[in-house]
Amino acid sequence: QLQLQESGPGLVKPSETLSLICTVSGGFINSGSYYWGWIRQPPGKGLEWIGSIYYTGSTYYSPSLKSRVTMSVDTSKNQFSLKLSSVTAADTAVYYCARHCTGGNCYTRGWFDPWGQGTLVTLSS
Amino acid sequence: SSELTHDPAVSVALGQTVRITCQGDSLRSYYASWYQQKPGQAPVLVIYGKNNRPSGIPDRFSGSSSGNTASLTITGAQAEDEADYYCNSRDSSGNHWVFGGGTKLTVL
Repeated sequence: QLQLQESGPGLVKPSETLSLICTVSGGFINSGSYYWGWIRQPPGKGLEWIGSIYYTGSTYYSPSLKSRVTMSVDTSKNQFSLKLSSVTAADTAVYYCARHCTGGNCYTRGWFDPWGQGTLVTLSS
Repeated sequence: SSELTHDPAVSVALGQTVRITCQGDSLRSYYASWYQQKPGQAPVLVIYGKNNRPSGIPDRFSGSSSGNTASLTITGAQAEDEADYYCNSRDSSGNHWVFGGGTKLTVL
């Protein structure tokens, strides 16, 4: 059974870079035609797609975050990562990683599944 | 602002049928996927594509689409269905993904 687990600092200082890792278990990150996505949810608010990455390094980023987002993949560790630079209080959120079916047969019918449990990142000086 | 819009809140009597809708121009070209999120938990995929349920999702959940509107229907709502529901699809450009603002479902 495929499982994803986010990890990283729970506190980040304003203007610094938020860094998170998603570890995939029960399957290989470089198998199949899946992308791997990051989604966040500010406290009490809705879901926001941040971006998705293929194991080759091909990426899609949200236009609203593109200037600050970098995603990468480490197939040897079965992990993918998120870096968000110049963070502000508005970046305080629970960050989720998820498998993203978006290409091939999923082009018109994509989905995110499964999701990690999420990790809360708070901005604090 | 989201390119996909939901009614913020919907209620349904226990055992009755409820439809949760999501509207957006991109839904004329792309199917929506639907996610259930209970307090303190990660979202769970409940419907994707034309009307597909992942393994383990009860068959009381179904999906449909017409024009710019995607719908999630729960036939015979149960107390455990009380949750927030989000739709997701490509945006109008087709190059990015967006979530709707979510609908809070209350089961009375």
